[in-house]
Amino acid sequence: AQTVTQSQPEMSVQEAETVTLSCTYDTSESDYYLFWYKQPPSRQMILVIRQEAYKQQNATENRFSVNFQKAAKSFSLKISDSQLGDAAMYFCAYRSARNSGYALNFGKGTSLLVTP
Amino acid sequence: DAGVTQSPTHLIKTRGQQVTLRCSPISGHKSVSWYQQVLGQGPQFIFQYYEKEERGRGNFPDRFSARQFPNYSSELNVNALLLGDSALYLCASSTARQGAGNTEAFFGQGTRLTVV
Repeated sequence: AQTVTQSQPEMSVQEAETVTLSCTYDTSESDYYLFWYKQPPSRQMILVIRQEAYKQQNATENRFSVNFQKAAKSFSLKISDSQLGDAAMYFCAYRSARNSGYALNFGKGTSLLVTP
Repeated sequence: DAGVTQSPTHLIKTRGQQVTLRCSPISGHKSVSWYQQVLGQGPQFIFQYYEKEERGRGNFPDRFSARQFPNYSSELNVNALLLGDSALYLCASSTARQGAGNTEAFFGQGTRLTVV
């Protein structure tokens, strides 16, 4: 089974600054998808950004971008110009491209604190 | 448009009892997945249903079961509750068929189950 590791239980960033959240994963597959989800105190998981493993270009969504290193099995999230509303739990997730249902395999999460 | 709705939002049950959690997907979504999120952990995949058939199952005991109805809503049942079943149960819906790539999963706000 694939494992997803988020080694930073908590991170802190000042408003308007940049922060990077780390994620590594273990897989023997060559084709898969990676996601970052945000979970605010409201508990609803919200998709932040996604990356297809077959794409070399790193995904970007406004202030959010990823650094996808396939050989190193690393998928970090960079948040630029941090805002107070970015404070939340962030989860990295893996999904196989093979016939394994629609299961998302999540890491344990990183709690992001944004200070004024 | 209404998002994924789950009911109830909170629930307290006694060990040994049975519980039923409900999920209504976004209109037009035929896939529903269930996740268990224990406090301090990332969500763990339980089931996926597509077109009323089970398409994926995580590593959970047979006490956990689910079904999907003709209107694509879904129920998760847990029998013989244990203290360890206390968790946030998340439902996610999508348009994706089994193994259909990077399609976004939309999550509900979850049901907080406490077993005493």
